Amino acid sequence: QKEVEQDPGPLSVPEGAIVSLNCTYSNSAFQYFMWYRQYSRKGPELLMYTYSSGNKEDGRFTAQVDKSSKYISLFIRDSQPSDSATYLCAASSGGSYIPTFGRGTSLIVHP
Amino acid sequence: EPEVTQTPSHQVTQMGQEVILRCVPISNHLYFYWYRQILGQKVEFLVSFYNNEISEKSEIFDDQFSVERPDGSNFTLKIRSTKLEDSAMYFCASSVSVSHEQFFGPGTRLTVL
Repeated sequence: QKEVEQDPGPLSVPEGAIVSLNCTYSNSAFQYFMWYRQYSRKGPELLMYTYSSGNKEDGRFTAQVDKSSKYISLFIRDSQPSDSATYLCAASSGGSYIPTFGRGTSLIVHP
Repeated sequence: EPEVTQTPSHQVTQMGQEVILRCVPISNHLYFYWYRQILGQKVEFLVSFYNNEISEKSEIFDDQFSVERPDGSNFTLKIRSTKLEDSAMYFCASSVSVSHEQFFGPGTRLTVL
């Protein structure tokens, strides 16, 4: 069941670039939208989550949700080599805190 | 900074054998979870656990799987008779409350031969 879709990449950018990572979802019941970062050989780490549509900013990271088009985005400003990781988007319905994950996009930021 | 720990980091077993994967959640957390990630595929939810009971489980979590909190610190996932398709990375997570803020451990790589 393809509920949350992500391009696996890899996405390779130079240091300092603005990165745009995107997901689409199909389940209209999804109300919460999350972004996780996963370094090699580590578990996912929650970066941020948003409720319903709109933007949320945290430092260099901005999450954006457009429920009308079922589109989720994560923007990273001034990207650093330490941002190199796999970024997982996820979503959950209002009645559950269990995320449905996308496959993840591999990001490489080269110096 | 407190973190979720998992042991072993890599477990190799023969098909049909039982395995127990161990997790130590963050000490003041009350909700515990197991997820798995087959190589190259999505992270999938298996089960959530609260107050010594399963609170939610997915269709993957069939009778071959069980979870237990045998003492005040450990949280275990048992696979009774492993199959080749059980080969995956298994992640434990914990949270203070019912929340999206789940903290994941580093995972146990299970290889079934």
